[in-house]
Amino acid sequence: SYELTQPPSVSVSPGQTARITCSADALPKQYAYWYQQKPGQAPVLVIYKDSERPSGIPERFSGSSSGTTVTLTISGVQAEDEADYYCQSADSSDTYHIIFGGGTKLTVL
Amino acid sequence: QVQLQESGPGLVKSSETLSLTCTVSGASISSYYWSWIRQPPGKGLEWIGYMYYSGSTNYNPSLRSRVTISVDTSKSQFSLKLTSVTAADTAVYYCARDRQVAGGGRVENWFDSWGQGILVTVSS
Repeated sequence: SYELTQPPSVSVSPGQTARITCSADALPKQYAYWYQQKPGQAPVLVIYKDSERPSGIPERFSGSSSGTTVTLTISGVQAEDEADYYCQSADSSDTYHIIFGGGTKLTVL
Repeated sequence: QVQLQESGPGLVKSSETLSLTCTVSGASISSYYWSWIRQPPGKGLEWIGYMYYSGSTNYNPSLRSRVTISVDTSKSQFSLKLTSVTAADTAVYYCARDRQVAGGGRVENWFDSWGQGILVTVSS
């Protein structure tokens, strides 16, 4: 099995661009997905299939993939974007199962 | 708009069985996969398992020996049973709609709707 590795924390000032990375050996074989979770709330899907944005998610949220690393980019960060962000993918190396990264706390300074 | 609501005991004794139910509205339970996901206090997300209305299931290898997920289509509900619980199973448990797709030789899963979550505490 393998793990998805995220930085524990990222800090940006309002209006700047935040980039949160997620890396693992198997990512090129599986898509990555991103969730935003605010305190006391359930996670919300913000990016699916590496770079697709669900309806209702602001355009400032985008996703990209390069090699074994996927990146969630939030352009023009707003105070309301402060939250935990989790990447998710799947381990298909043995028995297929779903995995999450450890999460990244985005702080808006 | 799909809505999911978890229900069940908030306190379970160590070594006993944790049982939760998720009630689905706004979507046909027979049209999607459905998952359980948990989050220990202050920690990250852990996928528990998913099921399809036909009875097909898949579980996290780390929990497989203790987990059963089942469905009651007549009630639009699916359930989680986790046996022999310990303090390590204390967590917020979420049910979620699982948008599984298969093609090109691979399977993809993601979660586009979540319940509000229910805190289950395992006591000694």
